[in-house]
Amino acid sequence: DGGITQSPKYLFRKEGQNVTLSCEQNLNHDAMYWYRQDPGQGLRLIYYSQIVNDFQKGDIAEGYSVSREKKESFPLTVTSAQKNPTAFYLCASSGQGWRNQPQHFGDGTRLSIL
Amino acid sequence: AQSVTQPDIHITVSEGASLELRCNYSYGATPYLFWYVQSPGQGLQLLLKYFSGDTLVQGIKGFEAEFKRSQSSFNLRKPSVHWSDAAEYFCAGLDQNRDDKIIFGKGTRLHILP
Repeated sequence: DGGITQSPKYLFRKEGQNVTLSCEQNLNHDAMYWYRQDPGQGLRLIYYSQIVNDFQKGDIAEGYSVSREKKESFPLTVTSAQKNPTAFYLCASSGQGWRNQPQHFGDGTRLSIL
Repeated sequence: AQSVTQPDIHITVSEGASLELRCNYSYGATPYLFWYVQSPGQGLQLLLKYFSGDTLVQGIKGFEAEFKRSQSSFNLRKPSVHWSDAAEYFCAGLDQNRDDKIIFGKGTRLHILP
């Protein structure tokens, strides 16, 4: 079955360390997204990519970086510049434009600080 | 700016009772609206979507939603809830002014009394 795979499910980061969250999709979707979820805050967009080798900042991009070298993959790096990285991170994908919504979601990665 | 508001942070209903979760949107043109459900530690699953046409939309798991332009609302309903419906519910809208990104409400957590 097609879907979105996020790994790992749980991740721990030490102070000053960069960590990378994986997101892979086999839905043949052009667009991919990273969201951060905190209790009571809903989902906030970190970065999104509408096509390979191109991506844009979302609403809370500071302290994060992404790459989109392959259509299927959109890894997110949480850098040491992100001072409050503890959260639940969700990856999503969709087709292009409103006609090809909605977004499909992975099962998330929970990042905690050691 | 376009926005989606869910006025209720928590809702508690008894098993077998009817349910209505509120969602208000702020959009200038025809809105494209969604309801998602999230179980603890999981990603988001689409319940239903509204793009145009019939204002009463049927979704999965026995849910429906009604689009009311005069009230700027897109409330989610279910005639009889089951214990397995306990989850967090997100209303969302497509922001056509911002690359068709999705704007999420902050969510309503549904608790079911036995």
